[in-house]
Order: sequence, then C-alpha cells, then structure tokens
Amino acid sequence: AQKITQTQPGMFVQEKEAVTLDCTYDTSDPSYGLFWYKQPSSGEMIFLIYQGSYDQQNATEGRYSLNFQKARKSANLVISASQLGDSAMYFCAISTGRRALTFGSGTRLQVQP
Amino acid sequence: NAGVTQTPKFQVLKTGQSMTLQCAQDMNHEYMSWYRQDPGMGLRLIHYSVGAGITDQGEVPNGYNVSRSTTEDFPLRLLSAAPSQTSVYFCASSYSIQGAPLHFGNGTRLTVT
Repeated sequence: AQKITQTQPGMFVQEKEAVTLDCTYDTSDPSYGLFWYKQPSSGEMIFLIYQGSYDQQNATEGRYSLNFQKARKSANLVISASQLGDSAMYFCAISTGRRALTFGSGTRLQVQP
Repeated sequence: NAGVTQTPKFQVLKTGQSMTLQCAQDMNHEYMSWYRQDPGMGLRLIHYSVGAGITDQGEVPNGYNVSRSTTEDFPLRLLSAAPSQTSVYFCASSYSIQGAPLHFGNGTRLTVT
C-alpha cells in the first residue's frame, strides 16, 4: 500500500517570503515517484514538480523545490518568494510500481500582501 | 492542443438516474484514470486504465463502470446515481503509470439530489 500524509490543513505566508509545505509518505516499494500539484480556486490541477526515489539531487522548478529526505520519508515543497498567485490548495502524491497516483488531503496556502 | 477534455462541466441528476461522464485525450497517452474530489479532501482514484482494453479498480470503484475501447477515450458511467456520488470528477492521463505527471481535465461537478 502507499499513503501520503499532509498534516497542515492551512498555511499563511507573507508575500515575498518562503514557505514549506509538509508531506510524508509511506511505501514498501523501493522505486517510487513523488509529485506536487497546485489547485487554484478555479479548480484545475496543475503539475508543479516531480522527484524520483533514486534521484540523487532535490528537484527544482523555478521557485519550487522539493526537499526530499528519504530516510525520513518526507518530500516537502518549498516555495520561494511567495506571490499572491500562489494562494491555492497544494497536493502531494505518490506513485509506486504499477499503482496509480495516491494523493494526500492537501494544504491550503494563503499568501498575504 | 486540447489535452484532456471532459464533458459535461456541470450535471445535476436525480437519485437512481444513470449517466456517462466523457473523457478524451489527444496526447496518445496509454494511461488514463478517473478521480473524485470531495470537499476538503484530496483526490481518490475510482478506476484506471493502462491501455486500450485494460481497466482496473481504484480505491472507490463501487457504483461506477469504465471501459477503454480506444486509446483516446475513457468514459465513466454512473449506474444508479446516489447522493453520496455528489462530487467533482477529474479525468487524467499520462504516458506512463509511474514517473510521469498526470495531465488533468478541468473536472465535472456532479450533484445528485
């Protein structure tokens, strides 16, 4: 089985500051992938960043980086220099083997001016 | 490119009615899936397909049927709608079941009265 836990239902951050969204995962499969998606209030799902379990370096995509700590089974999303447009729901997800993507319950981020 | 197209965007059903949610993708992706999203929750997998003619159950398959006769289309059928099926439904596709980001449709908001 595979499981994602996001313990922060809601987060606030000031504009231009960095914020970390927590994600822990559970799987017994040595090969897996970790994803982060953004869902703005308009409802669409937007892919942000991906980390493979065998990737040696943390993934980065522009202002997004994934703080991957394999021993702790955590895959936190770091957003640098927050913008008002970053206000949204953020979902962490995992895929293993031939199992489809499993999502966490999400974190609602609100960026304050 | 259209990507993943879902129809309809909104639907209201009475308890006991049946209907089909349509999903089509033009990216020649082998993998397609259906998720439902309930308020304050993440996405839960209903059914998925790894290629034409192949489907499998996800986490919450009861009350839903799928088929995959072509690579492009993956319709979701509600057999006898129940109020518990009130939700937002997302169709998604990717070129691989693992390690590849999902491309999502814009969702179908279904209300069952």
